Amino acid sequence: KQEVTQIPAALSVPEGENLVLNCSFTDSAIYNLQWFRQDPGKGLTSLLLIQSSQREQTSGRLNASLDKSSGRSTLYIAASQPGDSATYLCAVRSMGDSNYQLIWGAGTKLIIKP
Amino acid sequence: GAVVSQHPSRVICKSGTSVKIECRSLDFQATTMFWYRQFPKQSLMLMATSNEGSKATYEQGVEKDKFLINHASLTLSTLTVTSAHPEDSSFYICSATGPTPNYGYTFGSGTRLTVV
Repeated sequence: KQEVTQIPAALSVPEGENLVLNCSFTDSAIYNLQWFRQDPGKGLTSLLLIQSSQREQTSGRLNASLDKSSGRSTLYIAASQPGDSATYLCAVRSMGDSNYQLIWGAGTKLIIKP
Repeated sequence: GAVVSQHPSRVICKSGTSVKIECRSLDFQATTMFWYRQFPKQSLMLMATSNEGSKATYEQGVEKDKFLINHASLTLSTLTVTSAHPEDSSFYICSATGPTPNYGYTFGSGTRLTVV
């Protein structure tokens, strides 16, 4: 059964720093992996979608990598800003489970201090 | 990019009444839609999965007669909370995905339901 783990659970850094959020999954048989952010009391915003055949995706200051064989993904945030403060979630679309459902990590709560 | 519109964003209703929440995919065919609820400071909890034209599949512990889901078209799914009670107060979020596994998931902006 697919399991997704995110480390760290919480992270607080000064503004301007580059940072890395980690996501690991136990079963490499996935269709894709997606990173989301959620602001308090809000819905989820998709940040990056990486297909199983891809190694990385970039959007602005965000870069997500995928190493399917080792079951890892990282989300790199460059030059962090207070507006980046949110909970970041990774989720995989797993072939092993129902292929309709996402398997979620518990999230990393990120605080960027001005 | 793919957009999912969810309405209303906030609703307050009296105990015993029913509330309908709509979830629309604006620019893609949402063959599968999901309904989640989220309590404060907790993770998303999947309530049900619905495929267009089929009955929804509910997660264990979710009452299908209380949370009615209709997915009658490729662009619209609705969640009706029937005979709402204060314990149904929560944040409800829908998401949608397309017809092939390489589609990502797009989420609505959520509905804050308060039952008084």
